Amino acid sequence: QAQVVESGGGVVQPGGSLRLSCAASGFTFTAYTVRWVREAPGRGLEWVALISPEGSDKFYADSVKGRFTISRDKSKSTVSLLMDSLGTEDTAIYYCGALNTDADYWGQGTLVTVSS
Amino acid sequence: DIQMTQSPSSLSASVGDRVTIACRASQDIGRYLAWFQLRPGKAPKSLIYLASSLQSGVPSKFSGSGSGTDFTLTINNLQPEDLATYYCQQYQSFPLTFGRGTKVEI
Repeated sequence: QAQVVESGGGVVQPGGSLRLSCAASGFTFTAYTVRWVREAPGRGLEWVALISPEGSDKFYADSVKGRFTISRDKSKSTVSLLMDSLGTEDTAIYYCGALNTDADYWGQGTLVTVSS
Repeated sequence: DIQMTQSPSSLSASVGDRVTIACRASQDIGRYLAWFQLRPGKAPKSLIYLASSLQSGVPSKFSGSGSGTDFTLTINNLQPEDLATYYCQQYQSFPLTFGRGTKVEI
């Protein structure tokens, strides 16, 4: 069945970098728009970034623009989120969601903690 | 940016109840409105897209309505597994924005 799995979370110091990965199976991942959203303690859901199926269109929240980069590797059916210059405000569970006209699949998230 | 305002922020209901959650956009978003369910420790679940279309596999006890700036999510026959926080999200324009969520307690 369709499955989305995020990985790469962990503890990082302020100013550090982390790369999150989103892998999918059970459906044609390359035909789906992929977005990252995050859930910070007490702050609800926040959209972070989105990439089109072809990988040509990318959009970012203002809060991460210039620091985060979304990309996709079609050969590996993965989407990455490279996060630089991390701050404590980036501490959250990061979820990856794959969307097209037929379905919207989500993973269980990966926890990113920015702390010294 | 389009602001999404949800109400109430939390509610308590009983098994079998019908629950309604409201979502208001700060400007006209047509029908570009989705609803998500977030349960503790679980993956987000997409319930509704285009304001009223049920996502594949979602039970018909969930329904959405509205257009323009005012939308509602209705949950019929509330069950213990419906304990969750529900979010609306507009996708009429970037940045995509969520409401602050409605926590449903049973």
